Amino acid sequence: GDSVTQKEGLVTLTEGLPVMLNCTYQTIYSNAFLFWYVHYLNESPRLLLKSSTDNKRTEHQGFHATLHKSSSSFHLQKSSAQLSDSALYYCALSDHNAGAKLTFGGGTRLTVRP
Amino acid sequence: NAGVIQTPRHKVTGKGQEATLWCEPISGHSAVFWYRQTIVQGLEFLTYFRNQAPIDDSGMPKERFSAQMPNQSHSTLKIQSTQPQDSAVYLCASSPRDRADTEVFFGKGTRLTVV
Repeated sequence: GDSVTQKEGLVTLTEGLPVMLNCTYQTIYSNAFLFWYVHYLNESPRLLLKSSTDNKRTEHQGFHATLHKSSSSFHLQKSSAQLSDSALYYCALSDHNAGAKLTFGGGTRLTVRP
Repeated sequence: NAGVIQTPRHKVTGKGQEATLWCEPISGHSAVFWYRQTIVQGLEFLTYFRNQAPIDDSGMPKERFSAQMPNQSHSTLKIQSTQPQDSAVYLCASSPRDRADTEVFFGKGTRLTVV
């Protein structure tokens, strides 16, 4: 079945430094969709960005990610971390066989300090 | 649009007791999902419904967990004989279409603590 790996469980950064959260995946389907969801404390997890197009950069709210099917990766990046970026970030995968059902990675808790 | 509503937000049960968690999906959404969130496992899929019909319950611990969707406006997750390892945040989510490219909208979750 599908699987998603986020190798960093915890990332702590100083404000202003670049952010990179890793996400790799496995699926037998060529038409997979990759997502990043963000979960702020006391709120609902919500979609940050998504992609299904190989080698195309997608951006939202200062974050960006590029789906690379050759390496099965969808890393999340931001050029300059802000204190308000502190949250739990989940990479997720769906495919046409599974409908809207998402397979999530283990999550990365990002803490940005002054 | 109030979003996905989950009640209660917090529930404490004694070991061996039953816990019922409630979810009201966004009106008009055809797909409803239940996930479990823990520090160790992250977000685990439990089960989902499409147009109230159960589609996939592959993530459900079979013996004590059950989910129902009696009408389009609510779903329940019931855990019988709760155990300490059931302690987690249970998230309900809904989606306007059951398609792979569709955004899923989450509730704030129910934090279940089994003592």
